[in-house]
Amino acid sequence: GAGVSQSPRYKVAKRGQDVALRCDPISGHVSLFWYQQALGQGPEFLTYFQNEAQLDKSGLPSDRFFAERPEGSVSTLKIQRTQQEDSAVYLCASSLGAGVVYNEQFFGPGTRLTVL
Amino acid sequence: AQSVTQLGSHVSVSEGALVLLRCNYSSSVPPYLFWYVQYPNQGLQLLLKYTSAATLVKGINGFEAEFKKSETSFHLTKPSAHMSDAAEYFCAVSGGINDMRFGAGTRLTVKP
Repeated sequence: GAGVSQSPRYKVAKRGQDVALRCDPISGHVSLFWYQQALGQGPEFLTYFQNEAQLDKSGLPSDRFFAERPEGSVSTLKIQRTQQEDSAVYLCASSLGAGVVYNEQFFGPGTRLTVL
Repeated sequence: AQSVTQLGSHVSVSEGALVLLRCNYSSSVPPYLFWYVQYPNQGLQLLLKYTSAATLVKGINGFEAEFKKSETSFHLTKPSAHMSDAAEYFCAVSGGINDMRFGAGTRLTVKP
């Protein structure tokens, strides 16, 4: 398909485990965003990449969260030593150019992380 | 800083009735405003956006929204609800560049 894909779709982790969430953006899209969506809430910004450069990581809640996009395409969000408060849906979005106003973000279906 | 407040976490309408989903914004700069729809097990999809051109913005699936600066509002409407409109709707605001803040969402239920 031509859309944004994320894997796994569902992840259950025991508290303290490390997890890695993958995002495959639309081919050729320069910008890539990660959001965290807690139950009953809207998405909250985590981090932004322009190609391989992580230009904004101000939304990452702690140093346990790390994201990378080494070749400017696929991105991985890693959470170390997961905690129960990390349980949420993690959304990835990509856009053709830079800037959210004139470049539509296309969202993936998300990865639902449950930490027991 | 920018933020949006969506009034009503759940809205229920009958098929064929008017849909009105409320969104108020707060912004220290001229805002850019968006409405997204999220169907179950799917990603968010852009319905429409306001970028300081026309204050009445038309989007996909028959939805439209009007930017009212005096009321700091950007309510989403559709004249006649369809069963397929049942979904979660999110209002969002951006001050530009890559910053986007979403509201908590409104779940729309359409009754036959």
